[in-house]
Amino acid sequence: NAGVTQTPKFRILKIGQSMTLQCTQDMNHNYMYWYRQDPGMGLKLIYYSVGAGITDKGEVPNGYNVSRSTTEDFPLRLELAAPSQTSVYFCASSYELAEETFNEQFFGPGTRLTVL
Amino acid sequence: SQKIEQNSEALNIQEGKTATLTCNYTNYSPAYLQWYRQDPGRGPVFLLLIRENEKEKRKERLKVTFDTTLKQSLFHITASQPADSATYLCALPSGNTPLVFGKGTRLSVIA
Repeated sequence: NAGVTQTPKFRILKIGQSMTLQCTQDMNHNYMYWYRQDPGMGLKLIYYSVGAGITDKGEVPNGYNVSRSTTEDFPLRLELAAPSQTSVYFCASSYELAEETFNEQFFGPGTRLTVL
Repeated sequence: SQKIEQNSEALNIQEGKTATLTCNYTNYSPAYLQWYRQDPGRGPVFLLLIRENEKEKRKERLKVTFDTTLKQSLFHITASQPADSATYLCALPSGNTPLVFGKGTRLSVIA
C-alpha cells in the first residue's frame, strides 16, 4: 500500500493563478481531509469528506473548493491564488464506522505552496 | 469551539529522562483525544487515542493520561532517546470538526 499520496510536492504560483492539489489513498478509507499548516501553527482543517459525493467545510474553507467523485481521490482546488494561501497542505484519510469516535488519520507527505 | 493549548513551544530534555508534554483545552470535555508526532518536512503520524472514560493509555514507552476535571491530557515518553526528537501534536474534536490540532510542542532529546 502506498497510503496517502499527494502531488505536487512543491509549487510556486503567481497571484490570481489557480491550481489543483491532488490527493489519493489506496486504503479504502471513507473519510478524507485537507489541512493547511502555517509555520509554527497547528493544522487547520479546510474541507473534509465522509464519502464519495459528500463534502463539508472545515475551519478555513474560504478560497478553496473540493470534490469527491471516487473513494480514492480528493482534489483541492485553489481559485485566484493569494499570498495568504502560502502554506503546506496535507491530505489525510481515515476509516470511520460511526461518528462518536474518530479513528487515527493517515497523512500524506504534504505539498509546499508559495504564492508570489 | 475548542481552544487547545500545548504547554510550551519547545522542550529540551536529557536522554534517558521522561519527557512530559501538556495539552489543555478550554470548553467541554471531548469524547476522545489524539496525539500525533510530526518530523520536519513530513506529515503527522498517529501515536495514541484516549477516550473520555479512560484515565490512561500506554504503548511501549508512551503513556497518555486524560483528566476531564482539569481539562488536560499529559503525554509522557519514558527513557527518552534522541530519535524521539520531533514535534508532538494534540488533537480533539470540536463541534462539527472531527479534529482540531494544537500548535504542538517541539521536543529535543539531548544525548
